[in-house]
Amino acid sequence: NAGVMQNPRHLVRRRGQEARLRCSPMKGHSHVYWYRQLPEEGLKFMVYLQKENIIDESGMPKERFSAEFPKEGPSILRIQQVVRGDSAAYFCASSPQGTAGGEKLFFGSGTQLSVL
Amino acid sequence: AQRVTQPEKLLSVFKGAPVELKCNYSYSGSPELFWYVQYSRQRLQLLLRHISRESIKGFTADLNKGETSFHLKKPFAQEEDSAMYYCALPPADRGSTLGRLYFGRGTQLTVWP
Repeated sequence: NAGVMQNPRHLVRRRGQEARLRCSPMKGHSHVYWYRQLPEEGLKFMVYLQKENIIDESGMPKERFSAEFPKEGPSILRIQQVVRGDSAAYFCASSPQGTAGGEKLFFGSGTQLSVL
Repeated sequence: AQRVTQPEKLLSVFKGAPVELKCNYSYSGSPELFWYVQYSRQRLQLLLRHISRESIKGFTADLNKGETSFHLKKPFAQEEDSAMYYCALPPADRGSTLGRLYFGRGTQLTVWP
């Protein structure tokens, strides 16, 4: 089991471009969480998804950010019209079931987004 | 509202010395606390949780409700313990997403030879 896979590891975008971050959960996991880590801060929850459903997006910025987890393929975090303040490390985690707490969260290596 | 505070951004000790990474929290009710670790170029992974009261890689952490603390301790630090350590807790509202953890900003531990 390769674990939670995120790509790309590093992504550079110019202001106004779109960023697409991908996350493939661990085999057998159908629940995905996205976290963002701004410089000098801890990880902050953004969104929780199950296959084809957004369950909790209370941590997502209201504009420009969206997430999906289609029936086939990885989960995608999409940031439109990126700004410098979007520069951060974006982590994905997966769990085998929605009732799992922190002890069942498995994290990916993260995507470092840099906006020029 | 729940909050996790890790007051030390950086902590350096020599090999064989005791180490304590501080974590304080604010929470309504009985918290379940976690320590996560991220070694260089590796993924964030669970180190230990207070409910299990276990010792992992020589580390222990005791929940002190009076001081609202969950400090991580190891009596004799090793060079391979050098890593970033995060304290975290789940939402107080049991109806909330359980995988939605609140993280401290992390402490970078460096163990010198």
